[in-house]
This record gives sequence, C-alpha cells and structure tokens, in this order.
Amino acid sequence: DAGVIQSPRHEVTEMGQEVTLRCKPISGHDYLFWYRQTMMRGLELLIYFNNNVPIDDSGMPEDRFSAKMPNASFSTLKIQPSEPRDSAVYFCASSRGQGSMSNEQFFGPGTRLTVL
Amino acid sequence: AQSVAQPEDQVKVAEGNPLTVKCTYSVSGNPYLFWYVQYPNRGLQFLLKYITGDNLVKGSYGFEAEFNKSQTSFHLKKPSALVSDSALYFCAVSRGGSYIPTFGRGTSLIVHP
Repeated sequence: DAGVIQSPRHEVTEMGQEVTLRCKPISGHDYLFWYRQTMMRGLELLIYFNNNVPIDDSGMPEDRFSAKMPNASFSTLKIQPSEPRDSAVYFCASSRGQGSMSNEQFFGPGTRLTVL
Repeated sequence: AQSVAQPEDQVKVAEGNPLTVKCTYSVSGNPYLFWYVQYPNRGLQFLLKYITGDNLVKGSYGFEAEFNKSQTSFHLKKPSALVSDSALYFCAVSRGGSYIPTFGRGTSLIVHP
C-alpha cells in the first residue's frame, strides 16, 4: 500500500483565495483525521470522519474551514477565504477502527500551506 | 477529559548513550498509550503502543517504553542513541474505547556525535 497520500505537498496562496487540500486514506481504514501543526499550537485535531461521516468538527477553527469525505478513498479540507494565520502544515491520517479501538494512526506527508 | 504532558521541549544526548523522553498522562479509565516520531518534513510515524499486558513495550528502531500506572507515565527509552534518532517525538493517549487520541506537544530529541 502507498500509505496515506496528500496533495499538494506545498501550497502558496494569497490572502482571500480558496485553498483545497486533498487526502487519500489507506484502503480499508474507516477513520480519517485532519490535523494542523504549527510551532505555536503544536498538533491540533481539526475534524475526523468515521465511515465517511463527520463525527467531530469541534476543532475546526472557523466557518472558513470545511471538510468533506464523499467516499471512502477521498477527503478534502477547504479554506475559504484563506488568511495568513492559516499558514501551517496540514496532515491527514487514517486508522482502522473496525474490531479494535487500539489502532495507531497512519499519517500522510502533510501539505505545507503558506498564505501571503 | 484526557491529556498528555511532555515536560521537556528538547532532550540532548550523545551518540551511544541511553536516552529517555518523558511522557505523563491523565485519562479516566484504562489508557491506550502511543509514541510517534516525526522526521523533518515528514508526517508522524508510529513507533509503539501500550494497550494491555506487559508494562515494557518494544517498538521500532530499538525503542521501548515502560508503562507505569502508579506514576501515570509512559517514558520512551533506547539503550544506545544514534544520530539518526534525532527527530520530534510525540506521546499520545486515548482512553479505552475511544479512537481519538490526544497528542502531547512533542519533544525534540537531538543526538550529537
């Protein structure tokens, strides 16, 4: 398996523009997580899905952020409009939940977002 | 609520010496404990986990961790550090029955020659 795939790896955009980050989880994993990592705040959980359904989005910072998972193999995180304070590394992770609650997460390589 | 504390932002150790990266946790019920490592410009990578059983857990790259219930700790250890072990290490905890771990802020391990 190729692991969790994220695109793009780097994104530079200007304030006010829409940004879409993409994630393909590992096949067979039924949990998907979106995280944001910054020096100031560390690793923050933004939202997670179970079987394509959003379960907890309490970590999403503002209404400017939205996430979807239209099917088991694809998820997007959208920021509209983007602001300089959104600059961070965004990680997608997936894990198996079926039959065990102790499974580790597998992280993608991340998308480094810079908003000018 | 569950929480994780990694009291050291940075740990420095000489190559060949033993290393310890500390982690304490707070959780109601039985904890599930994890260690992850993050190399520069990479995502987090699973190292090891404690679910139940033997308090000493062995993981990847020669790392091990000891679960201490009375001290609510799960320190990461390695008998002999390598320069290539230099990375950011994260401890995480979830309670029994929860898929959602809480991560610590991370500890930067620097192994110098």
